[in-house]
Amino acid sequence: QAVVTQEPSLTVSPGGTVTLTCGSSTGAVTSGHYPYWFQQKPGQAPRTLIYDTTYKHSWTPARFSGSLLGGKAALTLSGAQPEDEAEYYCLLSPGGADWVFGGGTKLTVL
Amino acid sequence: QVQLQESGPGLVKPSETLSLTCTVSGGSISNYYWSWIRQPPGKGLEWVGYMYNSGSTNYNPSLKSRVTISVDTSKNQFSLKLNSVTAADTAVYYCARQGGYWGQGTLVTVSS
Repeated sequence: QAVVTQEPSLTVSPGGTVTLTCGSSTGAVTSGHYPYWFQQKPGQAPRTLIYDTTYKHSWTPARFSGSLLGGKAALTLSGAQPEDEAEYYCLLSPGGADWVFGGGTKLTVL
Repeated sequence: QVQLQESGPGLVKPSETLSLTCTVSGGSISNYYWSWIRQPPGKGLEWVGYMYNSGSTNYNPSLKSRVTISVDTSKNQFSLKLNSVTAADTAVYYCARQGGYWGQGTLVTVSS
């Protein structure tokens, strides 16, 4: 089973921009992995921000965007807010194959 | 809007079977991938398995020998069974639908 790698922690200044990445031990992440990004705050269930690489839900703040970058899936936060401080998880979910979560990135807004 | 709700016992004894049900409202359980995900206390998310096409399944290799996911289309529900549980199976269990719709999760503790 693949190992999915995320930055363990990142810090962003209020109003700043940060990019979180999601890589796979098996090679480049592609749209065929249907990458997801979830935000989880303490004591809460995960909330989906991005699915299928770039698609947003109605509840996804416009400041979040998903992409593929340098062989990885990426989540970019532009204009960070204090309420964006949370744990962020990616999921690679290739159709018909094993799914794997990344270990999570703890994002601090400071 | 589709909504998912997990239900089942919050306490299971070691060596017994953990059984959870996910009730889906606001949409049919036909089509899409329907999955179970768990999160041990203080740890990250772990994919347990999924079902698609109302019957095809795929399970996490580390759990494959103990996991069964099944569907009851008449009740718009799908279920998780995990047998021979140990304390390591203590976690919040979530059900989810393709596209990123999640239930609120249910804590299952394995203890005698």
